Amino acid sequence: EVQLVESGGGLGQPGRSLRLSCAASGFTFNDYAMHWVRQAPGKGLEWVSGISWNSGSIGYADSVKGRFTISRDNAKNSLYLQMNSLRADDTALYYCAKAKGDYGDPLDYWGQGTLVTVSS
Amino acid sequence: DIVMTQSPDSLAVSLGERATINCKSSQSVLYSSNNKNYLAWYQQKPGQPPKLLIYWASTRESGVPDRFSGSGSETDFTLTISSLQAEDVAVYYCQQYYSTPFTFGPGTKVDIK
Repeated sequence: EVQLVESGGGLGQPGRSLRLSCAASGFTFNDYAMHWVRQAPGKGLEWVSGISWNSGSIGYADSVKGRFTISRDNAKNSLYLQMNSLRADDTALYYCAKAKGDYGDPLDYWGQGTLVTVSS
Repeated sequence: DIVMTQSPDSLAVSLGERATINCKSSQSVLYSSNNKNYLAWYQQKPGQPPKLLIYWASTRESGVPDRFSGSGSETDFTLTISSLQAEDVAVYYCQQYYSTPFTFGPGTKVDIK
């Protein structure tokens, strides 16, 4: 059974940093691209970032480019999102999602999310 | 960036009736080399993560009931629920995965009339 478990959320101050993690199990992690998608309270889905199986393809939403960094450790079956220069509008539930295959594939499994609140 | 729009914002349909949701992309998401439309549909119920329903615009994900179908090409797409069930109450999103950033539509809320 595919499982994706996010962690690292919490209260972050504006301008500071947080690091999200996603622990994957139930599939061969290094065969699949992975993504982060966020959802602000009461709002729609926003794709944040994605990374291919070998980290050769990486992309970011314009809203986080230059502030967030996605990475993965295939030996640890883990996905990460380093979030720097946090802003109030980064407040959201952050989902880790697995692609069906390559970087440009739909997202077939999602975690339950980790909540990030940016406030002073 | 490709901008995704959806219509309507919300709709209420009687049980057993058809529900139709439209999605439009600001540019074509059809990749000519493989003739695939890089368009997916997701269902999100309250308090749950999204669930993949349809990909390549019309391919149903495993386990998804056949009352859900997708159609369209290039810039105009449709998700149809042929006979609405109570468990279909949710918000539905389209997403293009043709080019980064892989943008979502704003969502369409489906309720029972």
